[in-house]
Amino acid sequence: GAVVSQHPSRVICKSGTSVKIECRSLDFQATTMFWYRQFPKQSLMLMATSNEGSKATYEQGVEKDKFLINHASLTLSTLTVTSAHPEDSSFYICSASPGAGNTGELFFGEGSRLTVL
Amino acid sequence: AQKVTQAQTEISVVEKEDVTLDCVYETRDTTYYLFWYKQPPSGELVFLIRRNSFDEQNEISGRYSWNFQKSTSSFNFTITASQVVDSAVYFCALSGTNSGYSTLTFGKGTMLLVSP
Repeated sequence: GAVVSQHPSRVICKSGTSVKIECRSLDFQATTMFWYRQFPKQSLMLMATSNEGSKATYEQGVEKDKFLINHASLTLSTLTVTSAHPEDSSFYICSASPGAGNTGELFFGEGSRLTVL
Repeated sequence: AQKVTQAQTEISVVEKEDVTLDCVYETRDTTYYLFWYKQPPSGELVFLIRRNSFDEQNEISGRYSWNFQKSTSSFNFTITASQVVDSAVYFCALSGTNSGYSTLTFGKGTMLLVSP
């Protein structure tokens, strides 16, 4: 079964509203989680690294005030797309790894497809 | 910097044909991991394989096989006797020491279309 779960899997919202996406690790504690974005017919690009109990680290070109990340517990990270616009429509996927001593094992959530009207 | 190149944007085959998806990577790390994922139209990433840079043995899993050639920095994926259900986008990816092997650099993906 899935070890990383995302919710919601699909969301449609009006332009200007905010949308929250959750990413949960089910079988292990993840001090670090990662958010990727995939535009239609394109590859997955890392957006940010979510750190439990501290600020997220954003990749170059990703607006931190636009994409708010909160990692309040060892099993939950949330991504909030604030004041969403149609150009934010995308597939957002989170991943997590068991952390220290990681031997390359990674787990991805099922993804969340955001459509902004 | 890490880079993964999947030169084939789209491949179309007829069912039962064999097909090879190419992947070439660049990294300065001596230890790294290579991955292949399948992404069906529903969007989720289906894990296919993870290979450590020190393990150059080729691997076979059912109709799937992987050819890791460190000398040419390639990690090609072959599907034997393709089926319609194999139709999907396939991503090759790389992780290295920069993130403690926790983040992936993805190729642009190869869309495989298998027709009946």
